[in-house]
Amino acid sequence: DAKTTQPTSMDCAEGRAANLPCNHSTISGNEYVYWYRQIHSQGPQYIIHGLKNNETNEMASLIITEDRKSSTLILPHATLRDTAVYYCIALHGSSNTGKLIFGQGTTLQVKP
Amino acid sequence: DAGVTQSPTHLIKTRGQHVTLRCSPISGHKSVSWYQQVLGQGPQFIFQYYEKEERGRGNFPDRFSARQFPNYSSELNVNALLLGDSALYLCASSSATGGLNTEAFFGQGTRLTVV
Repeated sequence: DAKTTQPTSMDCAEGRAANLPCNHSTISGNEYVYWYRQIHSQGPQYIIHGLKNNETNEMASLIITEDRKSSTLILPHATLRDTAVYYCIALHGSSNTGKLIFGQGTTLQVKP
Repeated sequence: DAGVTQSPTHLIKTRGQHVTLRCSPISGHKSVSWYQQVLGQGPQFIFQYYEKEERGRGNFPDRFSARQFPNYSSELNVNALLLGDSALYLCASSSATGGLNTEAFFGQGTRLTVV
């Protein structure tokens, strides 16, 4: 599975969009990009995943560049409850979601 | 619907002791995975079990073992505890070993402190 690189921390004002970048320059054609988040003292929570098309669900949007070397997770209207560590994970198409390789993630602090 | 449940929530053990952590997956989920999360780091994969068979093992010593029962619940065992085993132990369940359109659901974890 490709290595991902994320900024260590980010701040966002409450009510504004939070844009969390992830670099995965060595990603292969059949590797998906997954996003999880972990709110303090809780287990990680699935957010969204995609292969090459942009994806949107009730929690967030995922924008993947055309060359697939990077992606951005967008929380359209961040709230204080979105303060968490966000993990970007590249997962091979022949792999499974039972073995996730987490990096250090990005600590997002949403401020009033 | 009950999510992934883990027990106990907190545990204090002495160096050299043995510990058993338990996990009940979401009903219908056959895959259970275990992770260790040391303070300040992301979760590290320990084991995956599917249909009672080990399907993956992370870079952990043989002191760590696990098993899955016919009802798909699972136990993680750690022998000869070290101070460095102090961590949050997370269990995750998913519906299948394949199919990337499935997601992994995590429990709240067991906080193990070794003194």
